[in-house]
Amino acid sequence: DTGVSQDPRHKITKRGQNVTFRCDPISEHNRLYWYRQTLGQGPEFLTYFQNEAQLEKSRLLSDRFSAERPKGSFSTLEIQRTEQGDSAMYLCASSQMWDSSGNTIYFGEGSWLTVV
Amino acid sequence: GIQVEQSPPDLILQEGANSTLRCNFSDSVNNLQWFHQNPWGQLINLFYIPSGTKQNGRLSATTVATERYSLLYISSSQTTDSGVYFCAVFYGGATNKLIFGTGTLLAVQP
Repeated sequence: DTGVSQDPRHKITKRGQNVTFRCDPISEHNRLYWYRQTLGQGPEFLTYFQNEAQLEKSRLLSDRFSAERPKGSFSTLEIQRTEQGDSAMYLCASSQMWDSSGNTIYFGEGSWLTVV
Repeated sequence: GIQVEQSPPDLILQEGANSTLRCNFSDSVNNLQWFHQNPWGQLINLFYIPSGTKQNGRLSATTVATERYSLLYISSSQTTDSGVYFCAVFYGGATNKLIFGTGTLLAVQP
């Protein structure tokens, strides 16, 4: 399977704990995105990398959230001191900057986070 | 910021029926994609369609950028078409942020 993969798929954590999600993009894609989706809503943009550089961050990404993409390959999204409001599905996506089909974005299956 | 509204918000169809989903956006966009989110949460690309018409099997899409809307047509619907359909747009000079619409929840009954 050469799609976007995310790990873990499900995580239940106690409030105040730290969690980390990993995303492996499609191998030739140099852009990587993180989105968050809550029940009944569409995905909301969190942050975006081009290669290893984090070029944009949403105001939704509070100081408890940090994302990295070392070496421009996989990415991690860490949430520190989790709160119940962090419960959501965290989606990773990737795209190829000069995709002949336009900037088509491909999403992973998501990581469900439940904070209890 | 840009508003992306979809209609109808939900739709129930009998298998074999046809439907049209609409996406309106409040400002000029750089491009537009349609996605299907299945009941397990996976977002599947359906179309990249900044303008014009495309067809893929039973699905087709049309975007009229000058009038700020896009339509997704589903013909001969099947139960596997159930899920949420989102349109999403790239807005403004930054082509890296995809703004999602409000979604249409489709249920196809056998």
